[in-house]
Amino acid sequence: QSALTQPASVSGSPGQSITIPCTGTSSDVGSYNLVSWYQQHPGKAPKFLIYEGSKRPSGVSYRFSGSTSGNTASLTISGLQAEDEADYYCCSYARSSTWVFGGGTKLTVL
Amino acid sequence: QVHLVESGGGVVQPGRSLRLSCAASGFTFTSYGMHWVRQAPGKGLEWVALISYDGTNKYYADSVKGRFTISRDNSKNTLSLQMNSLRAEDTAVYYCARDPGWLQLRYYFDYWGQGTLVTVSS
Repeated sequence: QSALTQPASVSGSPGQSITIPCTGTSSDVGSYNLVSWYQQHPGKAPKFLIYEGSKRPSGVSYRFSGSTSGNTASLTISGLQAEDEADYYCCSYARSSTWVFGGGTKLTVL
Repeated sequence: QVHLVESGGGVVQPGRSLRLSCAASGFTFTSYGMHWVRQAPGKGLEWVALISYDGTNKYYADSVKGRFTISRDNSKNTLSLQMNSLRAEDTAVYYCARDPGWLQLRYYFDYWGQGTLVTVSS
């Protein structure tokens, strides 16, 4: 159950787009289209943004989008806003009814 | 609306036990799988355990297997986590979270509680 790999930090200016990659293996990301993404502001509980790799639930801004290719999933945030500054985590279902998270990426809006 | 409230955290010595609870409201608790997810101070999220909607199936992360037990009381809309043989590395905020699948898993977490802090220290 090794953690998925995410960059520790990314940054962008307001209005720009950024992409956060999440790299797993053929035992998790590459085997199941079951990657989800979560946003966490300091001191708060995580909030879910994306499920099944690219699906966005109602209530989540269209500025958030997800995709998967092979063993790597990605979260793209377009039109960056100050309120997007937070930590972002990917998560994948792995075999035998277990889940694995990425180490998290801190997004700084410059 | 869906509401999850954890309780039971605190300071405990290594090797001792602690029981966490999660009170659920605003949805049909008996129809959803439930998870525990933890977050060590300043660290990332770690999945801990899952229990199926009816309590018959339980799964654990290797890091807690044999020490932690997840359970639920569907008559009281309550999820629990019994933590035995606690270690310093179990220090974390523990969140309960819902899987959104009705009587089957959807494999993500749509609602989270606010978390309860467990500190394992002598």
